Amino acid sequence: EVQLVESGGGLVQPGGSLRLSCAASGFTFSDYWLHWVRQVPGKGLVWVSRINSDGKTTFYADSVKGRFTISRDNAKNTLFLEMNTLRAEDTGIYYCVLARAAPFWGQGTLVTVSS
Amino acid sequence: QSVLTQPPSVSGAPGQRVTISCTGSSSNIGAGYDVDWYQQLPGTAPKVLIYGDINRPSGVPDRFSASKSGASASLAITGLQAEDEADYYCQSYDNSLTGWVFGGGTKLTVL
Repeated sequence: EVQLVESGGGLVQPGGSLRLSCAASGFTFSDYWLHWVRQVPGKGLVWVSRINSDGKTTFYADSVKGRFTISRDNAKNTLFLEMNTLRAEDTGIYYCVLARAAPFWGQGTLVTVSS
Repeated sequence: QSVLTQPPSVSGAPGQRVTISCTGSSSNIGAGYDVDWYQQLPGTAPKVLIYGDINRPSGVPDRFSASKSGASASLAITGLQAEDEADYYCQSYDNSLTGWVFGGGTKLTVL
């Protein structure tokens, strides 16, 4: 059974940093692209970043370029999102998504950027 | 402002049929990229209903179907049930943004 379990969210002040993790199981982790998607509770979905299967190719939404870094550890079946210089508009639930034919989403971790 | 355009809300009585439209452009749906549809129940993560334009994962009832033409796609739900009340999102890939794009979401109300 495929599982994606996000962690690392919390309350952080503007300008601060957080590192999100996504622990994966139930599939061959190193075969797939992975994405991070954000959702402000009660609002829509916004794509944040993606990374290819070997971790060497990454893409970012313009709103996070230069501040966020996506990475993965294929030996530990874990996806990461390093978030720096956080802003209030980065607040939301961050979902880890497995990019297979029928994408699979984790349950998300809540990030709140507020003073 | 979402890249893909969906109606904010639709409604229907139990047993009826509703459709949700999703309009994109030449850099996403119109370029031939796959459209996926998600159902999101309150307090839960999005769950894929349709992938690759028209395919249903195992476990999704055949009451859910989808189509695509040009730069638009559509989700149809027949035989509406109370449990279908949820938010629905379309998603595709955009080659100018080099990432996924989503519709703003459609809230389905079962009257």
